[in-house]
Amino acid sequence: NAGVMQNPRHLVRRRGQEARLRCSPMKGHSHVYWYRQLPEEGLKFMVYLQKENIIDESGMPKERFSAEFPKEGPSILRIQQVVRGDSAAYFCASSPPVLNTEAFFGQGTRLTVV
Amino acid sequence: GQSLEQPSEVTAVEGAIVQINCTYQTSGFYGLSWYQQHDGGAPTFLSYNALDGLEETGRFSSFLSRSDSYGYLLLQELQMKDSASYFCAVRRGSTLGRLYFGRGTQLTVWP
Repeated sequence: NAGVMQNPRHLVRRRGQEARLRCSPMKGHSHVYWYRQLPEEGLKFMVYLQKENIIDESGMPKERFSAEFPKEGPSILRIQQVVRGDSAAYFCASSPPVLNTEAFFGQGTRLTVV
Repeated sequence: GQSLEQPSEVTAVEGAIVQINCTYQTSGFYGLSWYQQHDGGAPTFLSYNALDGLEETGRFSSFLSRSDSYGYLLLQELQMKDSASYFCAVRRGSTLGRLYFGRGTQLTVWP
Protein backbone atom coordinates (compact mmCIF):
# COMPACT_ATOMS: atom_id res chain seq x y z
CA ASN A 1 0.00 0.00 0.00
CA ALA A 2 1.79 3.06 -1.27
CA GLY A 3 1.89 6.13 0.91
CA VAL A 4 0.92 9.65 -0.07
CA MET A 5 2.69 10.38 -3.34
CA GLN A 6 3.69 13.88 -4.30
CA ASN A 7 5.36 14.97 -7.51
CA PRO A 8 7.54 16.50 -8.48
CA ARG A 9 9.83 16.33 -5.46
CA HIS A 10 11.66 19.44 -6.61
CA LEU A 11 10.35 22.16 -8.89
CA VAL A 12 12.15 25.26 -10.14
CA ARG A 13 10.17 28.05 -11.72
CA ARG A 14 11.04 31.52 -12.91
CA ARG A 15 9.10 34.46 -11.57
CA GLY A 16 5.81 34.80 -13.39
CA GLN A 17 5.51 31.14 -14.39
CA GLU A 18 2.93 28.68 -13.12
CA ALA A 19 3.63 25.86 -10.70
CA ARG A 20 1.53 22.70 -10.52
CA LEU A 21 2.00 20.37 -7.59
CA ARG A 22 0.37 16.95 -7.56
CA CYS A 23 -0.72 14.75 -4.71
CA SER A 24 -2.06 11.22 -4.90
CA PRO A 25 -3.57 10.25 -1.55
CA MET A 26 -3.23 6.84 0.03
CA LYS A 27 -5.59 4.21 -1.28
CA GLY A 28 -8.99 4.55 0.33
CA HIS A 29 -8.36 8.12 1.49
CA SER A 30 -10.85 10.69 0.28
CA HIS A 31 -9.65 13.67 2.34
CA VAL A 32 -6.68 15.73 1.19
CA TYR A 33 -4.92 18.62 2.93
CA TRP A 34 -2.24 20.95 1.63
CA TYR A 35 0.33 22.61 3.89
CA ARG A 36 3.19 25.01 3.25
CA GLN A 37 6.42 25.04 5.22
CA LEU A 38 9.00 27.82 5.16
CA PRO A 39 12.55 27.09 6.40
CA GLU A 40 12.81 26.74 10.18
CA GLU A 41 9.06 27.02 10.59
CA GLY A 42 6.10 24.77 11.19
CA LEU A 43 3.61 23.68 8.60
CA LYS A 44 0.87 26.17 7.75
CA PHE A 45 -2.52 24.83 6.71
CA MET A 46 -3.67 25.96 3.29
CA VAL A 47 -6.69 23.97 2.11
CA TYR A 48 -8.77 20.89 2.86
CA LEU A 49 -10.51 19.05 0.04
CA GLN A 50 -12.68 16.04 -0.47
CA LYS A 51 -13.44 14.56 -3.87
CA GLU A 52 -14.73 17.39 -6.10
CA ASN A 53 -15.26 19.67 -3.11
CA ILE A 54 -13.24 22.34 -1.32
CA ILE A 55 -14.18 22.02 2.34
CA ASP A 56 -11.94 24.64 3.94
CA GLU A 57 -9.67 27.05 2.09
CA SER A 58 -9.16 29.50 4.93
CA GLY A 59 -5.37 29.19 4.69
CA MET A 60 -5.10 29.83 0.97
CA PRO A 61 -3.82 33.19 -0.26
CA LYS A 62 -6.64 35.07 -1.92
CA GLU A 63 -4.85 35.44 -5.23
CA ARG A 64 -2.82 33.20 -7.54
CA PHE A 65 -3.40 30.00 -5.52
CA SER A 66 -6.01 27.37 -6.28
CA ALA A 67 -6.56 23.71 -5.47
CA GLU A 68 -8.69 20.92 -6.79
CA PHE A 69 -9.34 17.26 -6.10
CA PRO A 70 -11.19 15.83 -9.08
CA LYS A 71 -13.26 12.69 -9.12
CA GLU A 72 -10.46 10.96 -10.98
CA GLY A 73 -6.77 11.67 -10.61
CA PRO A 74 -4.58 13.44 -8.10
CA SER A 75 -5.19 16.59 -6.17
CA ILE A 76 -3.52 19.62 -7.74
CA LEU A 77 -2.21 22.74 -6.04
CA ARG A 78 -1.74 25.44 -8.63
CA ILE A 79 0.23 28.63 -8.15
CA GLN A 80 -0.01 31.18 -10.92
CA GLN A 81 2.54 33.91 -11.62
CA VAL A 82 4.91 32.67 -8.95
CA VAL A 83 7.01 35.11 -6.92
CA ARG A 84 10.15 34.52 -4.85
CA GLY A 85 8.07 34.46 -1.67
CA ASP A 86 6.31 31.32 -2.91
CA SER A 87 9.55 29.35 -2.50
CA ALA A 88 8.78 26.76 0.17
CA ALA A 89 8.09 23.09 0.77
CA TYR A 90 4.51 22.13 0.03
CA PHE A 91 3.20 19.05 1.79
CA CYS A 92 0.09 17.08 1.09
CA ALA A 93 -1.61 14.87 3.66
CA SER A 94 -4.50 12.46 3.33
CA SER A 95 -6.88 10.68 5.67
CA PRO A 96 -9.74 8.25 5.26
CA PRO A 97 -13.37 9.30 5.69
CA VAL A 98 -13.41 7.77 9.16
CA LEU A 99 -13.03 10.14 12.08
CA ASN A 100 -10.37 9.89 14.76
CA THR A 101 -7.66 8.56 12.51
CA GLU A 102 -4.32 10.13 11.77
CA ALA A 103 -3.42 12.00 8.64
CA PHE A 104 -0.47 10.75 6.60
CA PHE A 105 1.92 13.17 4.92
CA GLY A 106 3.74 12.92 1.63
CA GLN A 107 7.43 13.73 1.09
CA GLY A 108 6.60 17.20 -0.13
CA THR A 109 7.44 19.29 -3.18
CA ARG A 110 10.21 21.82 -2.80
CA LEU A 111 9.40 24.82 -4.94
CA THR A 112 12.17 27.25 -5.78
CA VAL A 113 11.34 30.45 -7.60
CA VAL A 114 14.30 32.07 -9.33
CA GLY B 1 -6.57 33.01 16.54
CA GLN B 2 -4.27 30.41 17.91
CA SER B 3 -0.68 30.15 19.06
CA LEU B 4 1.59 27.32 20.09
CA GLU B 5 4.85 27.66 21.96
CA GLN B 6 7.57 25.04 22.07
CA PRO B 7 11.34 25.32 22.61
CA SER B 8 13.32 25.85 19.44
CA GLU B 9 16.15 23.48 20.35
CA VAL B 10 16.87 20.63 22.75
CA THR B 11 20.04 18.56 23.03
CA ALA B 12 20.65 15.30 24.88
CA VAL B 13 22.90 12.26 24.83
CA GLU B 14 22.10 8.74 23.75
CA GLY B 15 20.18 6.77 26.35
CA ALA B 16 18.86 9.88 28.06
CA ILE B 17 15.27 11.06 28.50
CA VAL B 18 14.07 14.34 27.04
CA GLN B 19 10.80 16.22 27.40
CA ILE B 20 9.53 18.67 24.79
CA ASN B 21 6.88 21.02 26.14
CA CYS B 22 4.10 22.67 24.21
CA THR B 23 1.70 25.36 25.40
CA TYR B 24 -1.17 26.52 23.27
CA GLN B 25 -3.84 29.16 23.05
CA THR B 26 -6.74 28.39 20.77
CA SER B 27 -10.49 28.34 20.54
CA GLY B 28 -12.35 25.15 19.82
CA PHE B 29 -9.57 22.86 21.05
CA TYR B 30 -10.12 19.23 20.08
CA GLY B 31 -6.79 17.57 20.78
CA LEU B 32 -3.01 17.78 20.52
CA SER B 33 -0.90 15.83 18.03
CA TRP B 34 2.84 15.32 17.79
CA TYR B 35 4.77 14.84 14.56
CA GLN B 36 8.41 14.03 13.83
CA GLN B 37 10.22 15.39 10.78
CA HIS B 38 13.70 14.38 9.63
CA ASP B 39 15.63 16.89 7.50
CA GLY B 40 12.54 18.46 5.95
CA GLY B 41 11.07 15.10 4.95
CA ALA B 42 7.54 13.84 5.44
CA PRO B 43 6.15 14.66 8.89
CA THR B 44 5.43 11.39 10.67
CA PHE B 45 2.60 11.03 13.16
CA LEU B 46 3.75 10.11 16.67
CA SER B 47 0.78 10.50 18.99
CA TYR B 48 -2.52 12.19 19.67
CA ASN B 49 -4.12 13.25 22.97
CA ALA B 50 -7.75 14.24 23.16
CA LEU B 51 -8.17 13.67 26.88
CA ASP B 52 -6.07 14.60 29.89
CA GLY B 53 -3.37 12.15 30.80
CA LEU B 54 -0.50 10.17 29.42
CA GLU B 55 -0.46 8.13 26.20
CA GLU B 56 2.42 5.70 25.82
CA THR B 57 3.69 4.26 22.55
CA GLY B 58 6.96 2.40 22.96
CA ARG B 59 9.78 4.81 23.79
CA PHE B 60 7.56 7.84 23.19
CA SER B 61 4.86 9.16 25.50
CA SER B 62 2.66 12.21 25.22
CA PHE B 63 0.81 14.07 27.93
CA LEU B 64 -2.03 16.56 27.86
CA SER B 65 -3.56 18.87 30.45
CA ARG B 66 -6.52 20.67 28.90
CA SER B 67 -7.04 22.88 31.94
CA ASP B 68 -3.44 24.16 31.67
CA SER B 69 -3.43 24.28 27.84
CA TYR B 70 -0.22 22.30 28.04
CA GLY B 71 1.23 19.11 26.70
CA TYR B 72 4.55 17.42 26.32
CA LEU B 73 6.28 14.71 24.37
CA LEU B 74 8.58 12.44 26.35
CA LEU B 75 11.27 10.52 24.53
CA GLN B 76 13.07 7.78 26.45
CA GLU B 77 16.20 5.75 25.73
CA LEU B 78 17.24 8.29 23.14
CA GLN B 79 18.94 7.05 19.99
CA MET B 80 20.91 8.94 17.37
CA LYS B 81 18.10 8.38 14.89
CA ASP B 82 15.76 10.42 17.13
CA SER B 83 17.61 13.57 16.03
CA ALA B 84 14.86 15.41 14.16
CA SER B 85 12.35 18.22 14.46
CA TYR B 86 9.32 17.61 16.64
CA PHE B 87 6.11 19.55 16.14
CA CYS B 88 3.11 19.87 18.36
CA ALA B 89 -0.10 20.59 16.49
CA VAL B 90 -3.54 21.55 17.68
CA ARG B 91 -6.57 19.87 16.20
CA ARG B 92 -9.55 22.20 16.24
CA GLY B 93 -12.24 19.99 14.80
CA SER B 94 -13.28 16.45 14.06
CA THR B 95 -11.04 16.27 10.99
CA LEU B 96 -7.64 14.97 12.07
CA GLY B 97 -5.78 16.43 9.13
CA ARG B 98 -6.84 19.98 9.94
CA LEU B 99 -3.98 20.99 12.18
CA TYR B 100 -2.27 24.11 13.49
CA PHE B 101 1.44 23.44 13.93
CA GLY B 102 3.97 24.98 16.27
CA ARG B 103 7.34 26.12 14.92
CA GLY B 104 9.00 22.90 15.95
CA THR B 105 11.75 21.78 18.32
CA GLN B 106 15.04 20.64 16.85
CA LEU B 107 16.29 17.69 18.91
CA THR B 108 19.96 16.78 18.61
CA VAL B 109 21.09 13.52 20.16
CA TRP B 110 24.83 13.23 20.85
CA PRO B 111 26.72 9.95 21.20
